[in-house]
Amino acid sequence: DAKTTQPPSMDCAEGRAANLPCNHSTISGNEYVYWYRQIHSQGPQYIIHGLKNNETNEMASLIITEDRKSSTLILPHATLRDTAVYYCIVRVETSGSRLTFGEGTQLTVNP
Amino acid sequence: EAGVAQSPRYKIIEKRQSVAFWCNPISGHATLYWYQQILGQGPKLLIQFQNNGVVDDSQLPKDRFSAERLKGVDSTLKIQPAKLEDSAVYLCASSLAGGGAHWGYGYTFGSGTRLTVV
Repeated sequence: DAKTTQPPSMDCAEGRAANLPCNHSTISGNEYVYWYRQIHSQGPQYIIHGLKNNETNEMASLIITEDRKSSTLILPHATLRDTAVYYCIVRVETSGSRLTFGEGTQLTVNP
Repeated sequence: EAGVAQSPRYKIIEKRQSVAFWCNPISGHATLYWYQQILGQGPKLLIQFQNNGVVDDSQLPKDRFSAERLKGVDSTLKIQPAKLEDSAVYLCASSLAGGGAHWGYGYTFGSGTRLTVV
């Protein structure tokens, strides 16, 4: 699986948009971009995934650049409960393909 | 839908003792994973089961760690003997198959067992 690079930490004001970047310059054509988050003392939670096109669900939006070498997770209106470690992961879509976590970004939402 | 259940929630043992963790995945999920998460790091895959067979145990320290998944449902992870560096949170996750976009959008994790070895 391709390696990802994320900033170790970010801060965001409550109610504002949180934009979390991820660099995956060595991503292959068949690898998807996944985002998970881990709130303190809980297991990681799936947020969103995409291949080429931008994606949106009830939790977040995912913007993938045209060359697919980077992406941004957007939390449109961050709340205090969004404070967590956010992991960007790339993986192929085959049965048995592992989910490999990096260090992630610690997002702190401030009141 | 019930989530992935893990027990115990916390465990403190002395080094060289043995310990076991239990995981009950989501009903119908064929694939089960055990991850180790050391404080300040991302989770690291230890072992992956497909039904009751091992798919990947390349990162499992087999001299002290063992895992089984009887009847393709519940799973136990054992450490014997424990070392100080085994202090971590042990996470269990399950997925319908490979956990990819075609199989339900990813893994579901339990809350983990926090192990402290003293």
